[in-house]
Amino acid sequence: AQTVTQSQPEMSVQEAETVTLSCTYDTSESDYYLFWYKQPPSRQMILVIRQEAYKQQNATENRFSVNFQKAAKSFSLKISDSQLGDAAMYFCAYRINAGGTSYGKLTFGQGTILTVHP
Amino acid sequence: GAVVSQHPSRVICKSGTSVKIECRSLDFQATTMFWYRQFPKQSLMLMATSNEGSKATYEQGVEKDKFLINHASLTLSTLTVTSAHPEDSSFYICSARDGHEKLFFGSGTQLSVL
Repeated sequence: AQTVTQSQPEMSVQEAETVTLSCTYDTSESDYYLFWYKQPPSRQMILVIRQEAYKQQNATENRFSVNFQKAAKSFSLKISDSQLGDAAMYFCAYRINAGGTSYGKLTFGQGTILTVHP
Repeated sequence: GAVVSQHPSRVICKSGTSVKIECRSLDFQATTMFWYRQFPKQSLMLMATSNEGSKATYEQGVEKDKFLINHASLTLSTLTVTSAHPEDSSFYICSARDGHEKLFFGSGTQLSVL
């Protein structure tokens, strides 16, 4: 079974600084997707960034970038120039890239609560 | 962008009653929807996978007779918590998959059972 582990229950960062959230996962599959989701106090799940396992290049979305180490099964999220609006709970998630009725099933990590200090 | 509407956003019920939560894809057809449960400051745990026109697939440990899932159309899946008890109090979130492998989340339902 696939597992996703976030070892940092809480992290904090000063506004405008950079912070990195860690995530490791375990899978025997070779074709999969990894995601970072943000859940603000509204509890709406917001997709931050996505990485296809077959792509060696790390995904970036504006101030958000990932460090994807496939061999090490590591997938960290770097937030640059942190803003107050970045404060939220962040979840790392995994999804196998295969068909079938469960296609799209996500496995989530435990989450990391990010606090941004002004 | 695609929208998934989840209703109600909050519900309070008495112990022993049943509660229905709806998840609708507003501008796309969702052959598959997923139901998650989340306790405060914890992760999302998948409860079941709902496929249009067929029986839902439940994750291990989830009571299918307590959490009834119906996916009668390509735009609507419902989760009914039957004979709710205080331990069923939780935040329930649905997600829907469109035909292009993207997933969209509903805004969630906070269930409180008194």
